Amino acid sequence: RKEVEQDPGPFNVPEGATVAFNCTYSNSASQSFFWYRQDCRKEPKLLMSVYSSGNEDGRFTAQLNRASQYISLLIRDSKLSDSATYLCVTGPDYKLSFGAGTTVTVRA
Amino acid sequence: EAQVTQNPRYLITVTGKKLTVTCSQNMNHEYMSWYRQDPGLGLRQIYYSMNVEVTDKGDVPEGYKVSRKEKRNFPLILESPSPNQTSLYFCASSSGTGSMNTEAFFGQGTRLTVV
Repeated sequence: RKEVEQDPGPFNVPEGATVAFNCTYSNSASQSFFWYRQDCRKEPKLLMSVYSSGNEDGRFTAQLNRASQYISLLIRDSKLSDSATYLCVTGPDYKLSFGAGTTVTVRA
Repeated sequence: EAQVTQNPRYLITVTGKKLTVTCSQNMNHEYMSWYRQDPGLGLRQIYYSMNVEVTDKGDVPEGYKVSRKEKRNFPLILESPSPNQTSLYFCASSSGTGSMNTEAFFGQGTRLTVV
């Protein structure tokens, strides 16, 4: 079983829509949680860290449910520039475990 | 500019011909790692290093070697490449402060094809 599982999508949404997706992780000892963004097989870049209390960064909201071992990401008011693959990642930072990614396409 | 630099970006080689992919970071980071990315599988860790002369296997180390002689450099060596090592490779570094949720920075990737 993969350590981090994600729905691959694709999620195809119009501009301005809200899109949400999540991932599950199997290692209950994981302490660090992230969403990374990857464009067209370029390098992954940190979108946001995910904290137990949930956190928001502009139009992006991340939630962590330790009991059920899942992490979610919600994107509000989607922009064309949000089109990307979103990678669910658990830590520690020297040994990251990645989901295969959820592809989001925002259409005009 | 803070960055992780990999070279080469693209490489086509033949089975069995030794190659090295270089990785260098200018952020004085303690931790460095190598990952490979294959369709449908996500990134998988090959090797990591927590300090100079300290390296350890990741999830898919077979067929690879690494070394960490200097803090800034972490080359990936394929002694005898095979077609199943055709993949997109990323080097990453992070500060190693031990804090939770420490960001990892990635190089631009090396697309390797072994024929």
